[in-house]
Order: sequence, then structure tokens, then C-alpha cells
Amino acid sequence: EAGVAQSPRYKIIEKRQSVAFWCNPISGHATLYWYQQILGQGPKLLIQFQNNGVVDDSQLPKDRFSAERLKGVDSTLKIQPAKLEDSAVYLCASSSGSYNEQFFGPGTRLTVL
Amino acid sequence: EDQVTQSPEALRLQEGESSSLNCSYTVSGLRGLFWYRQDPGKGPEFLFTLYSAGEEKEKERLKATLTKKESFLHITAPKPEDSATYLCAVQGGYGNTGKLIFGQGTTLQVKP
Repeated sequence: EAGVAQSPRYKIIEKRQSVAFWCNPISGHATLYWYQQILGQGPKLLIQFQNNGVVDDSQLPKDRFSAERLKGVDSTLKIQPAKLEDSAVYLCASSSGSYNEQFFGPGTRLTVL
Repeated sequence: EDQVTQSPEALRLQEGESSSLNCSYTVSGLRGLFWYRQDPGKGPEFLFTLYSAGEEKEKERLKATLTKKESFLHITAPKPEDSATYLCAVQGGYGNTGKLIFGQGTTLQVKP
């Protein structure tokens, strides 16, 4: 069974630029999550989708971050404009249900200069 | 507010030297406690889910246990390939959407 796919794996941008990350979850998984992991910390949830609807985006900085999951499968996370403090690893995870085990992709390491 | 604290932050062991990692938590109605392993440059890899106090689960050299306030990850006779960061996370029950609250992790180094 294929795991969670993410791209790109690495991205370096200047502050105030925009960037987008892509995630393809495990086939059949209805729930998709985006987490932010700052160096030395545990992952922090940014947004949770159930199919193509948002379940929780309470910790998403909505003035600069946006995410969508148009057909209930793939998802994109966008940052515009980026700040220095957005430098982190962005992890995508999926699960077969909201209360089941979450399986993570390899992450995208973002560096904002 | 749901919270998870892991200790120690870092642990260095000799190969074969058993030890335990601690995960203390406060949560409104625990639905599940999760342990993940994270290797450098990779995403977290699922290890265990524990649901109620007294529950134990084992996988190779790892055993996870749960009480009402904390969880332990026991590592028996570790090998260098067990070196990684171990993350603990809780999932609350009351009104929770299923999100995981993670601790900061314990970085384990096992020397041959």
C-alpha cells in the first residue's frame, strides 16, 4: 500500500514570497491533516479535512495560510506572503477516520530567508 | 488546555542498556495516546495506540504502558537502529475533532 506522498521535499524562498505544498493521502483515507513542525518541537495541527470539508482550522494563520482539498483526495497548502518564522517542516497525514491512527508523509522542509 | 510533556529531552544509551521514556499528559477525556518514531528528515512513523489505563502494547524491543496521567515507552536491550526521536501525542474526547496534541519528543541515541 502506497503511503502519503508530499512534494516538494525542500523549498527555499525569500520572505514575502509565496509557496505551495502538495499532498496525496493514502487511498481511501477520508481525513487529511496538515501539521507544522518547527525544529526541536512536536508537530502542531494547522488544518484538518474530512473529505473536502474543513473540520478544524483553529490554529491556521488565515491572514497568510490557506488550504484546500477540492475533490476529497489531494490537498494543497499555500503560504502568502511567507515570514521568517514560517521556516519549518510541513507534514501531511491521513487517516481512515478522525479517531484512527494517522499516517504521515515525509514532509516538506521550508526555509524562508 | 490539553498538554503533553516528554522527558528526558535527550537520552544516550549503550547498546543493550534498557531504559524508559516518559510522557506526561493532561487532557479532557482521553480518547487515545499515540507513540510515533521519527527519523531525521522523515515523517513520524506510527508505533502504538493506547486507550485506557493499564493497557500495554509491545513491538520488538519496545513496550508502551499507560496510566491516568502518563505513558512510558520501555526500550529493552536497544540497538543502534533504535536511535530516533520518539514522539508522544494525545487525542482528546470531549468535543475533539480527532486532532493530536504532540509533546516535544525524546531524542534517543544508542551507541554500539
